[in-house]
Amino acid sequence: EAGVVQSPRYKIIEKKQPVAFWCNPISGHNTLYWYLQNLGQGPELLIRYENEEAVDDSQLPKDRFSAERLKGVDSTLKIQPAELGDSAVYLCASSSGLAGAFEQFFGPGTRLTVL
Amino acid sequence: KQEVTQIPAALSVPEGENLVLNCSFTDSAIYNLQWFRQDPGKGLTSLLLIQSSQREQTSGRLNASLDKSSGRSTLYIAASQPGDSATYLCAAEGGGTSYGKLTFGQGTILTVHP
Repeated sequence: EAGVVQSPRYKIIEKKQPVAFWCNPISGHNTLYWYLQNLGQGPELLIRYENEEAVDDSQLPKDRFSAERLKGVDSTLKIQPAELGDSAVYLCASSSGLAGAFEQFFGPGTRLTVL
Repeated sequence: KQEVTQIPAALSVPEGENLVLNCSFTDSAIYNLQWFRQDPGKGLTSLLLIQSSQREQTSGRLNASLDKSSGRSTLYIAASQPGDSATYLCAAEGGGTSYGKLTFGQGTILTVHP
């Protein structure tokens, strides 16, 4: 069974440019998460989807970040415009349930560098 | 707001040693506690998940315990090997209004030398 797929793996952009990250969760997983991980820190949740509905986006900086999960499968996270402080690893995860006994499975992440 | 702390921040041991990684959380109203492993430049791999009603989980040389009342979890690694070298992260799901949300610690960087 394929794991969580993310692309691109690496992205280098100039500040003020837009950037988008793509995630394909494990087949059948209804819940999808986007996390941000700064160097030397644990991941922090940005947004959580249950099917196509964003059930928790309280940590998403909505002035520049947006996300969508059309059809409740793949998801895209966008930053426009990017700032220097956005340099980090963006992780996508999925699970077969919302809470309790359901493990979260993570993709390899996209490492963003903003110059 | 849930806060998760891991001690120590880094640990270096010779091969074969048994070791303990510590994780503490501030809000005991959690749904589960997960331990993850992260290799450099890679995503997270789930190691063990302990549901709130459980006290411990075991997988091979790994054993994780959970004491909700004291807000603590430990990951025990038996007979450590160089291949165990990685960053170990614990994450608490839930706590207060954080239903379905994982709050991570900052991780423990483990180095096992031959």
